[in-house]
Amino acid sequence: SQKIEQNSEALNIQEGKTATLTCNYTNYSPAYLQWYRQDPGRGPVFLLLIRENEKEKRKERLKVTFDTTLKQSLFHITASQPADSATYLCALPMGSNYQLIWGAGTKLIIKP
Amino acid sequence: GAGVSQTPSNKVTEKGKYVELRCDPISGHTALYWYRQSLGQGPEFLIYFQGTGAADDSGLPNDRFFAVRPEGSVSTLKIQRTERGDSAVYLCASSLVSGSAEAFFGQGTRLTVV
Repeated sequence: SQKIEQNSEALNIQEGKTATLTCNYTNYSPAYLQWYRQDPGRGPVFLLLIRENEKEKRKERLKVTFDTTLKQSLFHITASQPADSATYLCALPMGSNYQLIWGAGTKLIIKP
Repeated sequence: GAGVSQTPSNKVTEKGKYVELRCDPISGHTALYWYRQSLGQGPEFLIYFQGTGAADDSGLPNDRFFAVRPEGSVSTLKIQRTERGDSAVYLCASSLVSGSAEAFFGQGTRLTVV
């Protein structure tokens, strides 16, 4: 069965540095991959989508890479700020109706 | 409204009771999804609607769970004979179309079965 793995331990980063989060998947060849941000008590908020034929996608301080050979996506936040502190989840489409399957998320803490 | 609205935000119910959770999606969004999220986990797919019909209910854990979307807009997730294991945050998401579209989530309903 499909499996998605994200670092379960919280990631502590100093403000101003680049934060890098990892999403690995197995037994699967998704057409695209999405990254979401989730704050406590809130639903996930869409950040970026990257397709299988795209190596890299950028949006402001965010950058996502997608390596279909390694079955891995990396999510980078440059010039990190305390306001970037949240849980970040990766999600992949599954089935003919594109419902998403999700990683457990990585909690990111940016320290001032 | 501007976003996906879910009510109630919190629901505490006794084991064995029946509950209904409501989702009001973004106007014009034809695709609607229900997910369930336990603490420290990612959301888990429950059911998907395209318009009024349940296109995929393969994620519903058992026949105590049922969802409807009679007019293709508001959806209600219904849980019969609730069990303590049903306690979780129930999330609703909508998107303009099915497929590689951005999904917009509500804030969720936190269900606690005591």
